[in-house]
Amino acid sequence: DSGVTQTPKHLITATGQRVTLRCSPRSGDLSVYWYQQSLDQGLQFLIQYYNGEERAKGNILERFSAQQFPDLHSELNLSSLELGDSALYFCASSAGTGANTGELFFGEGSRLTVL
Amino acid sequence: AQSVTQLGSHVSVSEGALVLLRCNYSSSVPPYLFWYVQYPNQGLQLLLKYTTGATLVKGINGFEAEFKKSETSFHLTKPSAHMSDAAEYFCAVTPGGAGSARQLTFGSGTQLTVLP
Repeated sequence: DSGVTQTPKHLITATGQRVTLRCSPRSGDLSVYWYQQSLDQGLQFLIQYYNGEERAKGNILERFSAQQFPDLHSELNLSSLELGDSALYFCASSAGTGANTGELFFGEGSRLTVL
Repeated sequence: AQSVTQLGSHVSVSEGALVLLRCNYSSSVPPYLFWYVQYPNQGLQLLLKYTTGATLVKGINGFEAEFKKSETSFHLTKPSAHMSDAAEYFCAVTPGGAGSARQLTFGSGTQLTVLP
């Protein structure tokens, strides 16, 4: 158990819809990362938040957005869903100190299926 | 910028045989390097990491990896494969040095099959 909690584990929805994925990081971790894993693209970094502020953006579509709340949990919002958005979405967290060595702790993922 | 190349998307070994999974990286600064393992329907779990110091690092489940700067490689090995090692393995890189959290760049993964 990594200590990172993601909900829901599975989600099936239709094209054009909007969904929200939720992540609770490990206790004390300030950074939250979102990754998308698909068969054709592999593991793609989407976005990182550090203590409530956006820190880095990767290959995140404009239809997608995220935020990190004061209690440090994070939500990833996916809108106007397309078939190609079907993937496993991972949240990861890490410590946010100068001693951080970059190790990420991953949740078990949210599997999104768009029909 | 950083990138990772994992040679061989699928590797099969017999139980008890040597496991060798290859990873080459590209980084504009001295890197931190990682190997993660993903079992079916699970998240990624850290196997081992290299930050600084000894270039041969040991991880969980008998795995180890050697950082070779001259070859820009960080290959993962295990002397004797076990059936439970069957999983997908990911190599990852991030810029080294002190600082706040930073994202990892992952390779495309290597699926390891262990044959009885």
